[in-house]
Amino acid sequence: AQSVAQPEDQVNVAEGNPLTVKCTYSVSGNPYLFWYVQYPNRGLQFLLKYITGDNLVKGSYGFEAEFNKSQTSFHLKKPSALVSDSALYFCAVRDYNNNDMRFGAGTRLTVKP
Amino acid sequence: DTEVTQTPKHLVMGMTNKKSLKCEQHMGHRAMYWYKQKAKKPPELMFVYSYEKLSINESVPSRFSPECPNSSLLNLHLHALQPEDSALYLCASSQDSNGGWESQYFGPGTRLLVL
Repeated sequence: AQSVAQPEDQVNVAEGNPLTVKCTYSVSGNPYLFWYVQYPNRGLQFLLKYITGDNLVKGSYGFEAEFNKSQTSFHLKKPSALVSDSALYFCAVRDYNNNDMRFGAGTRLTVKP
Repeated sequence: DTEVTQTPKHLVMGMTNKKSLKCEQHMGHRAMYWYKQKAKKPPELMFVYSYEKLSINESVPSRFSPECPNSSLLNLHLHALQPEDSALYLCASSQDSNGGWESQYFGPGTRLLVL
């Protein structure tokens, strides 16, 4: 079964600095990888996904993620963080033709002014 | 319309009550999902409906009963719940559950408190 790990519970960055939220995955076949963001008392919002092709995926709100097959990683990045980016971020993975999407434990990002 | 709506936003119920959570989408999606999310935890899949048929039940207790009346609606009927069932219940939809590459679109959730 597929699984995903987010090694950091909490990431703190200063506004204007680059941010990285880490994610590693484990699947038996080709991975489909997703990032979602959750604001307080809200549902999850889709940010971006990797299916195939270019390893650098660009998504909503200036976020991007880099797929690295050799390191089985899919880290979320943003060149310049905003205070409004503060939220809970979830990495998720699905196997090919698999209905079940597995979420990581989540990483709380705090961007300080 | 790219929105998944859920009602009610908040629900407080006793252990002997019967209540229902509702979810609706008008994106033409044929797969709909129920997730349970405890505080500071990731969402956990409960049920998947594909083309209005139940395709996945993740060993959820029978006190949770899903229903998909049509392709736009998904209900979760609750009966004889326990306090530990208190959580945020999230509904999601996607074009087709068999496509692993498809994004799921989530509703805002129903925050349930069982007393």
